Amino acid sequence: RKEVEQDPGPFNVPEGATVAFNCTYSNSASQSFFWYRQDCRKEPKLLMSVYSSGNEDGRFTAQLNRASQYISLLIRDSKLSDSATYLCPMDSSYKLIFGSGTRLLVRP
Amino acid sequence: DTAVSQTPKYLVTQMGNDKSIKCEQNLGHDTMYWYKQDSKKFLKIMFSYNNKELIINETVPNRFSPKSPDKAHLNLHINSLELGDSAVYFCASSHQTGERGYTFGSGTRLTVV
Repeated sequence: RKEVEQDPGPFNVPEGATVAFNCTYSNSASQSFFWYRQDCRKEPKLLMSVYSSGNEDGRFTAQLNRASQYISLLIRDSKLSDSATYLCPMDSSYKLIFGSGTRLLVRP
Repeated sequence: DTAVSQTPKYLVTQMGNDKSIKCEQNLGHDTMYWYKQDSKKFLKIMFSYNNKELIINETVPNRFSPKSPDKAHLNLHINSLELGDSAVYFCASSHQTGERGYTFGSGTRLTVV
């Protein structure tokens, strides 16, 4: 089993839609979780950290469920500029472990 | 100011050659990394360095030799390049605990012909 699993998508949604992604992870000892976005031919960029209590940053809401070992990202009022691949790595002893990423396409 | 900068951005070379990629960070981080992203877009850790010391070597062939002259620099030297080495190589850095996330460089696209 992969350490971090994501639905590769693509998720194809209209502008203004709400879309949610999930990630499951296998290492219960992981302490830190993140959402990154990666645009085509660019580096991954930190979108937000994920805290146990859940956290929100504008249109983005992240949640962590340690008991079920998954994290989620909710994007409200999708914009065309949200089109990207979303990655949910976990930090584990001097390395970030990535899944395959979930591709989001927001159409006009 | 670029936080994590790596050079060159593109590298096209023939099989069997030796090449180097350089990385520098000005964030004051003490841990640096090399990641490889292959054609399937999967990002995989290669090496982690903390305070110039090698912490992680993820079963990378010994043709790959990282070197960290100081906390702000981590270079990657690759000997006897093979076709399968073609990928995008990302340098990254973080604080030791990593809990504030990692910052990535813009990547080096290596093509071996």
